[in-house]
Amino acid sequence: DTAVSQTPKYLVTQMGNDKSIKCEQNLGHDTMYWYKQDSKKFLKIMFSYNNKELIINETVPNRFSPKSPDKAHLNLHINSLELGDSAVYFCASSQASGRAYEQYFGPGTRLTVT
Amino acid sequence: GDSVTQMEGPVTLSEEAFLTINCTYTATGYPSLFWYVQYPGEGLQLLLKATKADDKGSNKGFEATYRKETTSFHLEKGSVQVSDSAVYFCALSNDYKLSFGAGTTVTVRA
Repeated sequence: DTAVSQTPKYLVTQMGNDKSIKCEQNLGHDTMYWYKQDSKKFLKIMFSYNNKELIINETVPNRFSPKSPDKAHLNLHINSLELGDSAVYFCASSQASGRAYEQYFGPGTRLTVT
Repeated sequence: GDSVTQMEGPVTLSEEAFLTINCTYTATGYPSLFWYVQYPGEGLQLLLKATKADDKGSNKGFEATYRKETTSFHLEKGSVQVSDSAVYFCALSNDYKLSFGAGTTVTVRA
């Protein structure tokens, strides 16, 4: 069983479109995250939810909107896609929020905007 | 703010060579420190962690010791294998999020 899963794995779309990426974890964790990995492999936190409540919202354009329908799911919706949004997006989860908890990552979604 | 600096790659080694990847951090308080590994085409996996000063994390032959006096968490392995080829990330957590270093690409040749 996959602990943290994401769909789709690859997403190719045109500028201006709206797209969503879905994430699910079956670990029973309380906290979920979205990270963006750029072409140089640099990883940066975008959002974090704890028990469906937003606790981290880094300086991300408001075209990006996370939605957490329940503790096991955290989806990412992106409006009006731009070329600079091309990246790999990783979902992650941890047992709870706090410095000592390791995060478990999904396989990533490679988004290509043309 | 919190930040992590790790040695730039890429690093290319022969099998059975000794590997060291340097990692230093800047943070307030007492962060937890982690090493994650990313194999080609995959997500990140936790390799090891340490949550307080002088803790040593170890896994799969890799080790790192939390050194508060030098704000470092260097990763070492005594004898690498081809299967260790991957990107290695040092990271710290001081609150709700992980702050990552830039990653070091390691290639091990047979």
